[in-house]
Amino acid sequence: SAVISQKPSRDICQRGTSLTIQCQVDSQVTMMFWYRQQPGQSLTLIATANQGSEATYESGFVIDKFPISRPNLTFSTLTVSNMSPEDSSIYLCSVVPRGRYEQYFGPGTRLTVT
Amino acid sequence: GQQVMQIPQYQHVQEGEDFTTYCNSSTTLSNIQWYKQRPGGHPVFLIQLVKSGEVKKQKRLTFQFGEAKKNSSLHITATQTTDVGTYFCAGGSNYKLTFGKGTLLTVNP
Repeated sequence: SAVISQKPSRDICQRGTSLTIQCQVDSQVTMMFWYRQQPGQSLTLIATANQGSEATYESGFVIDKFPISRPNLTFSTLTVSNMSPEDSSIYLCSVVPRGRYEQYFGPGTRLTVT
Repeated sequence: GQQVMQIPQYQHVQEGEDFTTYCNSSTTLSNIQWYKQRPGGHPVFLIQLVKSGEVKKQKRLTFQFGEAKKNSSLHITATQTTDVGTYFCAGGSNYKLTFGKGTLLTVNP
């Protein structure tokens, strides 16, 4: 398994500002992903965080709005840029540990944009 | 792209009753995974099914993968209050998953 921490756990931000969310894993992992989840809704994949190269974004998500970094095998950041109230959501990182196939999720970051 | 549909959206049962959630994909799946998310929590992996017609059991939970590998089900026998949460199926390949909308299970003690 993997233990994942996310910072911050929650934040309230003003429209037009940016927030960077950090995801730290206690072991080296094969894959890291970023999801968005509206309360009571399903998970939507934003992007795959690739170590040492640009992230791979899903349809509807772009690098200018959600820049992602993954400088090493245990850490990644997601920035939500130029926020609007529509960005209010829970953002989750997940990982696939080496030798495994299932995803382990972080506790999430609850973002409210006012 | 791949779509994963899940029904029902909500299910409320009396403790001791059985519960089933169904998952259907628009395309053939290489595998399907099931996750449980408790209220206020994050999704937790339950199981992965890979083979056509596969059936796996975890105590009171029974998971099935259809013969055509386009549908799956999760059945809980004699629900308990600890079963409360949202159950998601997820299909994918190369580690990337498409999640269904989930079924929220509530249990009346």
